[in-house]
Amino acid sequence: DQQVKQNSPSLSVQEGRISILNCDYTNSMFDYFLWYKKYPAEGPTFLISISSIKDKNEDGRFTVFLNKSAKHLSLHIVPSQPGDSAVYFCAASLNNAGNMLTFGGGTRLMVKP
Amino acid sequence: ETGVTQSPTHLIKTRGQQVTLRCSSQSGHNTVSWYQQALGQGPQFIFQYYREEENGRGNFPPRFSGLQFPNYSSELNVNALELDDSALYLCASSLQGGRGRKTQYFGPGTRLLVL
Repeated sequence: DQQVKQNSPSLSVQEGRISILNCDYTNSMFDYFLWYKKYPAEGPTFLISISSIKDKNEDGRFTVFLNKSAKHLSLHIVPSQPGDSAVYFCAASLNNAGNMLTFGGGTRLMVKP
Repeated sequence: ETGVTQSPTHLIKTRGQQVTLRCSSQSGHNTVSWYQQALGQGPQFIFQYYREEENGRGNFPPRFSGLQFPNYSSELNVNALELDDSALYLCASSLQGGRGRKTQYFGPGTRLLVL
């Protein structure tokens, strides 16, 4: 029973364009959502988060949108850069402490120069 | 400020053996969690320790156990290893009750191969 799903295993985008990564969840009790980026041979690195009481959070080139009624969130990267090429994980927490996370399966983003 | 470190980086064991993985939390953090990441999947939550007590557990059998020490370092022990235990084991630390950003910081992981 996958409570957090990332339906696109991979995404290819041209440098300078927008990257949109999607995530769906089934548990309406999730209170806090996070995006992590992972390079090979490294642990996941925190990127951006959003509380369930908000619908948008922005940090530089990264924006996360939350649609609670649709149980859907998305990460927008504008403009995309080759260094953004990595695996991106969506994660959810039942508390607002951002721990005991339920992760999606990840989306591999490739940004082409 | 030192980040989360894990040892060893790689490990090979045979089925039925026992293994201990180690983690040093980021300085100032009081909570540590362990995750298992199988190939091609997202990390799965194993358990979490806060002030040396387990305060959360995912869907893993009792042969997965852990410890947190007074200096907030941690161990993950797995008994009676099975082939499906082959995975990357990630440790993550955070500060519970603090005012900083609410997130966990991950170590680079220990890759375990069970033959």
